[in-house]
Amino acid sequence: KNEVEQSPQNLTAQEGEFITINCSYSVGISALHWLQQHPGGGIVSLFMLSSGKKKHGRLIATINIQEKHSSLHITASHPRDSAVYICAAGVNTDKLIFGTGTRLQVFP
Amino acid sequence: EPEVTQTPSHQVTQMGQEVILRCVPISNHLYFYWYRQILGQKVEFLVSFYNNEISEKSEIFDDQFSVERPDGSNFTLKIRSTKLEDSAMYFCASRNDRNTEAFFGQGTRLTVV
Repeated sequence: KNEVEQSPQNLTAQEGEFITINCSYSVGISALHWLQQHPGGGIVSLFMLSSGKKKHGRLIATINIQEKHSSLHITASHPRDSAVYICAAGVNTDKLIFGTGTRLQVFP
Repeated sequence: EPEVTQTPSHQVTQMGQEVILRCVPISNHLYFYWYRQILGQKVEFLVSFYNNEISEKSEIFDDQFSVERPDGSNFTLKIRSTKLEDSAMYFCASRNDRNTEAFFGQGTRLTVV
């Protein structure tokens, strides 16, 4: 069983839709990271959170420590949001354990 | 905005050859990492480096791999004798502190032929 599971694996949406990507983890964490990977391959950090909720522009990340679950929401989605979104568990040894990613395509 | 830079962006090498992948982390960062992503698979941890020594390595990081911070700015990953299965995108990352976000480079795509 993977230590970090994401769902869905693939997601398509129309521009303007509200999007939710889910992440469950089975390891003890110091923090949960959400990252974005564009087709060129580069990885960009979106959020690091250990409790509650964080917001940046149209992106919102939440975490429930008791349930070992986190969600990434995108409001008013746009074609430029199309990318792979990756959840990664930051464990106490300080490495990141990555999920398999969710490929999001937003159509105009 | 400060960024992690990796060179080269793409390297093709023959099986059995040595390769060195180079990274310049963000200047005030203290924690350094290498990760890899085989095409179509998830990103995997290779090694973490702090205070001029390896702090953790994965099972993938065997005797064929080594890391070095030779001059206080560069952070290199060496693969001594490349195998076909080493073909992957290699990402360098750095952090100021263990409890802060990680900054990733754009990656080096290594192709072993």
